[in-house]
Amino acid sequence: GENVEQHPSTLSVQEGDSAVIKCTYSDSASNYFPWYKQELGKRPQLIIDIRSNVGEKKDQRIAVTLNKTAKHFSLHITETQPEDSAVYFCAASSPIEDDKIIFGKGTRLHILP
Amino acid sequence: DAGVTQSPTHLIKTRGQQVTLRCSPKSGHDTVSWYQQALGQGPQFIFQYYEEEERQRGNFPDRFSGHQFPNYSSELNVNALLLGDSALYLCASSFLGGGDNQPQHFGDGTRLSIL
Repeated sequence: GENVEQHPSTLSVQEGDSAVIKCTYSDSASNYFPWYKQELGKRPQLIIDIRSNVGEKKDQRIAVTLNKTAKHFSLHITETQPEDSAVYFCAASSPIEDDKIIFGKGTRLHILP
Repeated sequence: DAGVTQSPTHLIKTRGQQVTLRCSPKSGHDTVSWYQQALGQGPQFIFQYYEEEERQRGNFPDRFSGHQFPNYSSELNVNALLLGDSALYLCASSFLGGGDNQPQHFGDGTRLSIL
């Protein structure tokens, strides 16, 4: 089955700088890659997603890139703000497994003042 | 437009007991997925229900079972509780009728503690 690896597990960046979180997946049939943000004690919230027919997608300060050949995808946050502090999860989904979503272990992002 | 709602928010049980958790999907959604999130970990897929049937299952024992009702709401049942079952149980809903890989939206979860 699908396996998703995520790194780093913890990331600290200065406010205003950029943050990058990287993930790899094992199932070449995976075709949907959502990213979730989870603040302490709250539900995971979908912040952006990308499908395998697209190499890059951007939404304001957030962008995601996908390299299908290498089976890795990344989340980029520019001009980081204090409210970006949270745990971020990448995930992958394959039609072979009826679209069940497999999550990475998460990256705890700290935005330093 | 109500989002995904789960009940109860917190629950304390002892080993060997049984528990039922409930989920109402977001309005317009027809599919419910259940996840277990241990402290400091990512959500782990338990199973997914669509048209009142289990559509896909993760690596969880048969002690974990579920049900989906005609109104799309769902229950997660866990029998013979173990200490290791202590976790946040998340429900997510999506609209499978919109095609494959529709975004899943999560509820706030049920925090289950086993003593």
